[in-house]
Amino acid sequence: DTGVSQNPRHKITKRGQNVTFRCDPISEHNRLYWYRQTLGQGPEFLTYFQNEAQLEKSRLLSDRFSAERPKGSFSTLEIQRTEQGDSAMYLCASSLDRGRWNSPLHFGNGTRLTVT
Amino acid sequence: DQQVKQNSPSLSVQEGRISILNCDYTNSMFDYFLWYKKYPAEGPTFLISISSIKDKNEDGRFTVFLNKSAKHLSLHIVPSQPGDSAVYFCAAGALSGNTPLVFGKGTRLSVIA
Repeated sequence: DTGVSQNPRHKITKRGQNVTFRCDPISEHNRLYWYRQTLGQGPEFLTYFQNEAQLEKSRLLSDRFSAERPKGSFSTLEIQRTEQGDSAMYLCASSLDRGRWNSPLHFGNGTRLTVT
Repeated sequence: DQQVKQNSPSLSVQEGRISILNCDYTNSMFDYFLWYKKYPAEGPTFLISISSIKDKNEDGRFTVFLNKSAKHLSLHIVPSQPGDSAVYFCAAGALSGNTPLVFGKGTRLSVIA
């Protein structure tokens, strides 16, 4: 179990630029989640994949945000035309769908985005 | 509309004593509850969970209690150790199905030696 890996750890970008983050889940986990955390808040759900299918998107996920999980392995989260309000920690998590009961999410260490 | 509430932003406890962290939820559909611990510059780490069919779950120094009628859960840490100093998040969701976990804002625990 190598854990959930996220890259880069930090990203500083200028307003209006596009950024892309990558998440590599625990290898046998078929569910993958993106959350966002801002100062003083808990993680807020953005979107979720079961294998390669994106099953749910939060209303927090504006049309400037897009996520993919090709072949049900790693995932990318892209933010287009970044705004200062996008500055946050972006957390990826994965879990194993055991068919009936949900299992805990395992989080990566996040990508901290700063938009100047 | 905050579905999971942790009303204490911070808590200080002496080493060796009990730490009690509280969490309230509003959505009666939640039947799966978890506690996560977060150190600075790291992602949240899963600690312990409980489903609504139980009212207590214990794992070493950590015990979670669930009061369904009050929509309240608590995490007890006994004895508290300096390494327990972290932010603790309560999360709630569904034991089956696709409902994503909803997190509280966290409680910062400081264990003083």
